[in-house]
Amino acid sequence: SQQGEEDPQALSIQEGENATMNCSYKTSINNLQWYRQNSGRGLVHLILIRSNEREKHSGRLRVTLDTSKKSSSLLITASRAADTASYFCATVETGANSKLTFGKGITLSVRP
Amino acid sequence: NAGVTQTPKFRVLKTGQSMTLLCAQDMNHEYMYWYRQDPGMGLRLIHYSVGEGTTAKGEVPDGYNVSRLKKQNFLLGLESAAPSQTSVYFCASSYLQGFTDTQYFGPGTRLTVL
Repeated sequence: SQQGEEDPQALSIQEGENATMNCSYKTSINNLQWYRQNSGRGLVHLILIRSNEREKHSGRLRVTLDTSKKSSSLLITASRAADTASYFCATVETGANSKLTFGKGITLSVRP
Repeated sequence: NAGVTQTPKFRVLKTGQSMTLLCAQDMNHEYMYWYRQDPGMGLRLIHYSVGEGTTAKGEVPDGYNVSRLKKQNFLLGLESAAPSQTSVYFCASSYLQGFTDTQYFGPGTRLTVL
């Protein structure tokens, strides 16, 4: 079953603007991960945030996690045309034998 | 390091034909996974392996078989291909913590079944 649900489904912004993407989920999680997929390529891991963490940074990326609202956000600052890609959130539920479950993804277009 | 590689990159099959997709990783990872990606569906787990000689079913295992005879290789087989198996297939691997760890993905195999 799908755990993460991303919002919006598509986002188009101008180069230099910030991009904010959201992910909501339904049950308790061990961690939440964000991945990027360029057109025709495999997924690339961006950030993993654990359930006891609230915020993580990696370069121009900032991820927040609010377990009380069961939601996460991915912020890309000062976007570039090269950031154009699909972005997926994926969650691992708490408990043994839990798998990594992906959402359907957000398509981000950054206009030069 | 090549990371995770997949062979072939593209393939067209007729209904009923069989084929094997090969995944190889050179990162000494214990865990390996096969996913399929369909439009509007995200990625769905087909089978996975927690170590050499082991395999387990994921979310959508029907119509597929897997083998992990060597730690670095994970094979996905389709014994009798069906049009519903038209998809993009991704292999991934991770280190010791399995699903709670970062997964590294291959470039994908685009399969069309006519």
